[in-house]
Amino acid sequence: EVQLVESGGGLVQPGGSLRLSCVASGFTFSSYWMHWVRQAPGKGLVWVSRLRSDGISTVYADSVKGRFTISRDNAKNTLYLQMNSLRADDTAVYYCAGAPDISSQLDHWGQGTLVTVSS
Amino acid sequence: SSELTQDPAVSVALGQTVRITCQGDNLRNYYASWYQQKPGQAPVLVIYGKNNRPSGIPDRFSGSSSGNTDSLTIAGAQAEDEADYYCNSRDSSGDHLVFGGGTRLTVL
Repeated sequence: EVQLVESGGGLVQPGGSLRLSCVASGFTFSSYWMHWVRQAPGKGLVWVSRLRSDGISTVYADSVKGRFTISRDNAKNTLYLQMNSLRADDTAVYYCAGAPDISSQLDHWGQGTLVTVSS
Repeated sequence: SSELTQDPAVSVALGQTVRITCQGDNLRNYYASWYQQKPGQAPVLVIYGKNNRPSGIPDRFSGSSSGNTDSLTIAGAQAEDEADYYCNSRDSSGDHLVFGGGTRLTVL
Protein backbone atom coordinates (compact mmCIF):
# COMPACT_ATOMS: atom_id res chain seq x y z
CA GLU A 1 0.00 0.00 0.00
CA VAL A 2 1.33 3.41 -0.98
CA GLN A 3 1.67 5.81 1.92
CA LEU A 4 2.99 9.32 2.41
CA VAL A 5 2.89 10.50 6.01
CA GLU A 6 3.63 14.13 6.80
CA SER A 7 4.61 15.46 10.20
CA GLY A 8 6.12 18.56 11.76
CA GLY A 9 3.26 21.00 11.43
CA GLY A 10 2.06 23.17 14.27
CA LEU A 11 1.68 26.69 15.59
CA VAL A 12 4.61 29.05 15.03
CA GLN A 13 5.04 32.78 15.48
CA PRO A 14 5.64 35.07 12.49
CA GLY A 15 9.32 35.03 11.62
CA GLY A 16 9.75 31.55 13.05
CA SER A 17 10.82 28.28 11.46
CA LEU A 18 9.46 24.77 11.05
CA ARG A 19 10.68 21.63 9.31
CA LEU A 20 8.14 19.34 7.76
CA SER A 21 8.86 15.69 7.05
CA CYS A 22 7.14 13.23 4.74
CA VAL A 23 7.90 9.52 5.04
CA ALA A 24 7.12 7.39 2.01
CA SER A 25 6.38 3.68 1.72
CA GLY A 26 4.88 1.27 -0.78
CA PHE A 27 6.57 2.69 -3.88
CA THR A 28 10.08 3.38 -5.15
CA PHE A 29 10.58 6.75 -3.46
CA SER A 30 14.07 7.25 -4.90
CA SER A 31 12.74 7.33 -8.45
CA TYR A 32 9.94 9.79 -7.78
CA TRP A 33 9.98 13.56 -8.23
CA MET A 34 8.59 14.94 -4.99
CA HIS A 35 6.54 18.08 -4.41
CA TRP A 36 5.06 20.14 -1.63
CA VAL A 37 1.60 21.59 -2.23
CA ARG A 38 -0.28 23.75 0.26
CA GLN A 39 -3.87 24.71 0.85
CA ALA A 40 -4.89 27.66 2.99
CA PRO A 41 -8.10 27.17 4.99
CA GLY A 42 -11.07 27.23 2.63
CA LYS A 43 -8.88 27.94 -0.39
CA GLY A 44 -7.49 26.06 -3.36
CA LEU A 45 -4.35 24.03 -3.93
CA VAL A 46 -1.10 25.93 -4.46
CA TRP A 47 2.12 24.36 -5.65
CA VAL A 48 5.09 25.20 -3.42
CA SER A 49 8.21 23.33 -4.47
CA ARG A 50 9.63 20.37 -6.39
CA LEU A 51 12.70 18.18 -5.98
CA ARG A 52 13.98 15.84 -8.66
CA SER A 53 14.38 12.17 -7.82
CA ASP A 54 18.16 12.44 -7.40
CA GLY A 55 17.79 15.32 -4.95
CA ILE A 56 19.81 17.72 -7.06
CA SER A 57 17.34 19.89 -8.99
CA THR A 58 15.00 22.08 -6.94
CA VAL A 59 12.45 24.71 -7.91
CA TYR A 60 10.23 26.95 -5.80
CA ALA A 61 7.16 29.11 -6.15
CA ASP A 62 8.04 32.80 -6.06
CA SER A 63 6.10 33.21 -2.81
CA VAL A 64 8.49 30.92 -0.89
CA LYS A 65 11.77 31.27 -2.79
CA GLY A 66 14.60 32.19 -0.45
CA ARG A 67 12.62 31.20 2.64
CA PHE A 68 11.81 27.50 2.08
CA THR A 69 14.21 24.66 1.26
CA ILE A 70 13.15 21.28 -0.06
CA SER A 71 15.38 18.26 0.44
CA ARG A 72 15.22 14.49 0.60
CA ASP A 73 17.01 11.49 2.04
CA ASN A 74 16.44 8.58 -0.32
CA ALA A 75 18.02 6.17 2.14
CA LYS A 76 15.31 7.07 4.64
CA ASN A 77 12.51 7.46 2.07
CA THR A 78 11.90 10.90 3.49
CA LEU A 79 11.15 14.31 2.00
CA TYR A 80 11.66 17.52 3.94
CA LEU A 81 10.58 21.14 3.78
CA GLN A 82 12.54 23.62 5.87
CA MET A 83 10.45 26.74 6.30
CA ASN A 84 12.07 29.92 7.59
CA SER A 85 10.86 33.50 8.03
CA LEU A 86 7.29 32.27 8.22
CA ARG A 87 4.47 34.69 7.57
CA ALA A 88 0.76 34.63 8.34
CA ASP A 89 -0.02 33.89 4.69
CA ASP A 90 2.01 30.66 4.93
CA THR A 91 -0.77 29.26 7.12
CA ALA A 92 -2.06 26.18 5.31
CA VAL A 93 -2.26 22.42 5.19
CA TYR A 94 0.95 21.24 3.57
CA TYR A 95 0.78 18.10 1.43
CA CYS A 96 3.68 16.14 0.07
CA ALA A 97 3.00 14.54 -3.28
CA GLY A 98 4.93 12.39 -5.71
CA ALA A 99 5.16 12.24 -9.48
CA PRO A 100 6.89 9.49 -11.53
CA ASP A 101 8.60 12.07 -13.73
CA ILE A 102 8.76 15.78 -14.54
CA SER A 103 5.07 15.79 -15.48
CA SER A 104 2.25 17.31 -13.44
CA GLN A 105 0.93 13.84 -12.62
CA LEU A 106 0.91 13.81 -8.79
CA ASP A 107 -0.27 10.27 -8.21
CA HIS A 108 0.65 9.85 -4.55
CA TRP A 109 -0.44 12.29 -1.83
CA GLY A 110 -0.03 12.45 1.93
CA GLN A 111 -2.83 13.35 4.30
CA GLY A 112 -1.34 16.77 4.99
CA THR A 113 0.01 18.59 8.03
CA LEU A 114 -1.34 21.93 9.25
CA VAL A 115 0.99 24.88 9.70
CA THR A 116 -0.43 27.88 11.53
CA VAL A 117 1.57 31.09 11.65
CA SER A 118 0.18 33.38 14.29
CA SER A 119 1.23 35.42 17.28
CA SER B 1 4.63 31.24 -14.45
CA SER B 2 1.24 30.63 -16.04
CA GLU B 3 -2.35 30.66 -14.85
CA LEU B 4 -5.03 28.02 -15.13
CA THR B 5 -8.64 29.17 -15.03
CA GLN B 6 -11.55 27.05 -13.83
CA ASP B 7 -15.20 27.86 -13.27
CA PRO B 8 -15.74 28.17 -9.50
CA ALA B 9 -18.86 26.03 -9.41
CA VAL B 10 -20.74 23.60 -11.62
CA SER B 11 -23.81 21.50 -10.94
CA VAL B 12 -25.17 18.37 -12.59
CA ALA B 13 -28.27 16.27 -12.16
CA LEU B 14 -27.73 12.78 -10.85
CA GLY B 15 -26.88 10.44 -13.72
CA GLN B 16 -26.22 13.21 -16.23
CA THR B 17 -22.95 14.18 -17.87
CA VAL B 18 -20.88 17.16 -16.77
CA ARG B 19 -17.78 18.78 -18.20
CA ILE B 20 -15.34 20.75 -16.08
CA THR B 21 -12.89 22.93 -17.97
CA CYS B 22 -9.41 24.28 -17.34
CA GLN B 23 -8.04 27.06 -19.51
CA GLY B 24 -4.48 28.32 -19.87
CA ASP B 25 -1.88 29.10 -22.50
CA ASN B 26 0.53 26.47 -21.16
CA LEU B 27 -2.07 23.80 -21.97
CA ARG B 28 -1.07 24.21 -25.61
CA ASN B 29 2.19 22.49 -24.61
CA TYR B 30 1.29 20.34 -21.62
CA TYR B 31 -1.68 18.19 -20.67
CA ALA B 32 -3.53 18.97 -17.48
CA SER B 33 -3.84 16.48 -14.68
CA TRP B 34 -7.09 16.38 -12.71
CA TYR B 35 -7.68 15.84 -8.98
CA GLN B 36 -10.77 15.19 -6.90
CA GLN B 37 -10.82 16.50 -3.34
CA LYS B 38 -13.57 15.77 -0.87
CA PRO B 39 -13.94 17.76 2.39
CA GLY B 40 -11.23 17.01 4.89
CA GLN B 41 -9.38 14.69 2.52
CA ALA B 42 -6.26 14.86 0.42
CA PRO B 43 -6.60 15.27 -3.35
CA VAL B 44 -6.82 12.16 -5.49
CA LEU B 45 -5.53 11.99 -9.07
CA VAL B 46 -8.36 11.04 -11.43
CA ILE B 47 -7.01 11.87 -14.91
CA TYR B 48 -3.51 12.44 -16.28
CA GLY B 49 -1.86 12.76 -19.66
CA LYS B 50 -3.94 12.66 -22.80
CA ASN B 51 -6.73 10.65 -21.12
CA ASN B 52 -5.38 8.20 -18.56
CA ARG B 53 -7.07 6.99 -15.40
CA PRO B 54 -5.13 5.67 -12.41
CA SER B 55 -6.08 2.28 -11.13
CA GLY B 56 -9.34 2.39 -9.19
CA ILE B 57 -10.78 5.47 -10.88
CA PRO B 58 -14.17 4.70 -12.49
CA ASP B 59 -14.34 4.83 -16.27
CA ARG B 60 -17.05 7.49 -16.11
CA PHE B 61 -14.15 9.93 -15.66
CA SER B 62 -12.41 10.99 -18.87
CA GLY B 63 -10.20 13.80 -20.10
CA SER B 64 -9.84 15.71 -23.34
CA SER B 65 -7.81 18.58 -24.72
CA SER B 66 -8.37 21.26 -27.36
CA GLY B 67 -6.12 24.22 -27.88
CA ASN B 68 -5.66 26.02 -24.60
CA THR B 69 -8.47 24.20 -22.82
CA ASP B 70 -8.44 20.80 -21.14
CA SER B 71 -11.63 19.22 -19.87
CA LEU B 72 -12.66 16.62 -17.34
CA THR B 73 -15.90 14.85 -18.19
CA ILE B 74 -17.95 12.77 -15.79
CA ALA B 75 -20.46 10.65 -17.67
CA GLY B 76 -23.37 9.62 -15.48
CA ALA B 77 -22.43 11.61 -12.39
CA GLN B 78 -22.98 9.88 -9.07
CA ALA B 79 -23.66 11.38 -5.66
CA GLU B 80 -20.17 10.39 -4.55
CA ASP B 81 -18.68 12.53 -7.31
CA GLU B 82 -19.68 15.68 -5.46
CA ALA B 83 -16.34 17.28 -4.63
CA ASP B 84 -13.87 19.98 -5.56
CA TYR B 85 -11.96 19.33 -8.77
CA TYR B 86 -8.59 20.87 -9.56
CA CYS B 87 -6.51 20.85 -12.70
CA ASN B 88 -2.77 21.35 -12.79
CA SER B 89 -0.02 21.38 -15.37
CA ARG B 90 3.54 22.43 -15.91
CA ASP B 91 3.87 26.16 -16.32
CA SER B 92 5.33 27.98 -19.32
CA SER B 93 8.89 27.47 -18.02
CA GLY B 94 8.25 23.75 -17.80
CA ASP B 95 9.88 23.60 -14.38
CA HIS B 96 7.10 24.75 -12.07
CA LEU B 97 3.64 23.36 -11.57
CA VAL B 98 0.51 25.47 -11.44
CA PHE B 99 -2.98 24.64 -10.19
CA GLY B 100 -6.30 25.99 -11.31
CA GLY B 101 -8.50 27.65 -8.73
CA GLY B 102 -10.76 24.61 -8.47
CA THR B 103 -14.35 23.81 -9.42
CA ARG B 104 -16.92 22.78 -6.84
CA LEU B 105 -19.17 20.14 -8.36
CA THR B 106 -22.65 19.75 -6.92
CA VAL B 107 -24.67 16.67 -7.87
CA LEU B 108 -28.37 17.50 -7.67
